[in-house]
Amino acid sequence: ETGVTQSPTHLIKTRGQQVTLRCSSQSGHNTVSWYQQALGQGPQFIFQYYREEENGRGNFPPRFSGLQFPNYSSELNVNALELDDSALYLCASSNPRGVPMNTEAFFGQGTRLTVV
Amino acid sequence: AQKVTQAQTEISVVEKEDVTLDCVYETRDTTYYLFWYKQPPSGELVFLIRRNSFDEQNEISGRYSWNFQKSTSSFNFTITASQVVDSAVYFCALSGGPPNFGNEKLTFGTGTRLTIIP
Repeated sequence: ETGVTQSPTHLIKTRGQQVTLRCSSQSGHNTVSWYQQALGQGPQFIFQYYREEENGRGNFPPRFSGLQFPNYSSELNVNALELDDSALYLCASSNPRGVPMNTEAFFGQGTRLTVV
Repeated sequence: AQKVTQAQTEISVVEKEDVTLDCVYETRDTTYYLFWYKQPPSGELVFLIRRNSFDEQNEISGRYSWNFQKSTSSFNFTITASQVVDSAVYFCALSGGPPNFGNEKLTFGTGTRLTIIP
């Protein structure tokens, strides 16, 4: 196990609703990244947070937003859900500025979101 | 723009056979990192290896080996004497720039589903 935990594991929402997904990063990791993985596809980068600030964003609309807390845990919020938002959402934590340098991103098991 | 291509969508081999998973990448960065991840049915991505663009040495870890060839922009992954537990989806990924700058956005390929037949 990587020490990265995500909740909930599964979620069903109705189109137009809002959803919040949560991620607890591995101990000592200050950077959290979120990825969306549609069925049969590779993960797509949504955004990254470092020390509570957004530090890079992929090609996702503004209705995808996030937060990082002082304990480095993170939330992903999606407003106005669409059917295409159905996917596995993966959180990854890392400590790229750590000593010794630890650049690997460790992933959680993901939250499977179904929008109906 | 960065791109990772895994042309093999699905591969099936009989247990104990060797299998190679192909990965071709595109990037304009002079410094970059390449990764392989394994995704079992549970969904969690399991880190296997990271290589930086300045180190073209091949690497072996037990039954796993990786062949990085900058000239052909390829980073192939070979499993020797495959086992049923190797069945999973394998992803090749690329990050641009030194990861220690906190900008290690990963660009993934579409994955190769590997099935090991007992």
